Amino acid sequence: DTGVSQNPRHKITKRGQNVTFRCDPISEHNRLYWYRQTLGQGPEFLTYFQNEAQLEKSRLLSDRFSAERPKGSFSTLEIQRTEQGDSAMYLCASSLARDGVVTIYFGEGSWLTVV
Amino acid sequence: AQSVAQPEDQVNVAEGNPLTVKCTYSVSGNPYLFWYVQYPNRGLQFLLKYITGDNLVKGSYGFEAEFNKSQTSFHLKKPSALVSDSALYFCAVRTSGTYKYIFGTGTRLKVLA
Repeated sequence: DTGVSQNPRHKITKRGQNVTFRCDPISEHNRLYWYRQTLGQGPEFLTYFQNEAQLEKSRLLSDRFSAERPKGSFSTLEIQRTEQGDSAMYLCASSLARDGVVTIYFGEGSWLTVV
Repeated sequence: AQSVAQPEDQVNVAEGNPLTVKCTYSVSGNPYLFWYVQYPNRGLQFLLKYITGDNLVKGSYGFEAEFNKSQTSFHLKKPSALVSDSALYFCAVRTSGTYKYIFGTGTRLKVLA
């Protein structure tokens, strides 16, 4: 049973460039989440998918951020025109929707440094 | 609005002693509560959760947590700490009707040999 996989694990980019992160959830998990974590803080919710439908987006997700899950499997998070304030760890999590309350399982995260 | 508070930035405990990491929450409706652990430069690992039923829940690596509705708390405990328990611990809450999990700011646990 493979866990949630995130790529790349580390990305250094110049301000103004675009970056894309990929998340492969646990097989058959139909819910997928993106969170952002900065140093000294807990994970902050960005967005949530059930299958291919993006059901909720945080106000943290500005117009420069877009997330997709085109076939209800893997997901991508793109940040356009990166700013230094975007430097953070981007965490993906997945879960399998069943009756009752599910546990979400996290990947190892993708570190973004904007210079 | 849902919120979680972890009042201690850091907790120090001697190896072999019991440990407690505190968490309080504020929600409307019934809370679903979780604890996760994070090691340096890693993602979060699930430890345990409270949904309903027995107020004392047991989880991975010998950890347990006690749900207290009147005090709106969900403190993480372990009877005997190990140096390898040193990590960052996060409490999280969710309520029915939403799928958003809200995390606290984390508590760094340091177990001293």
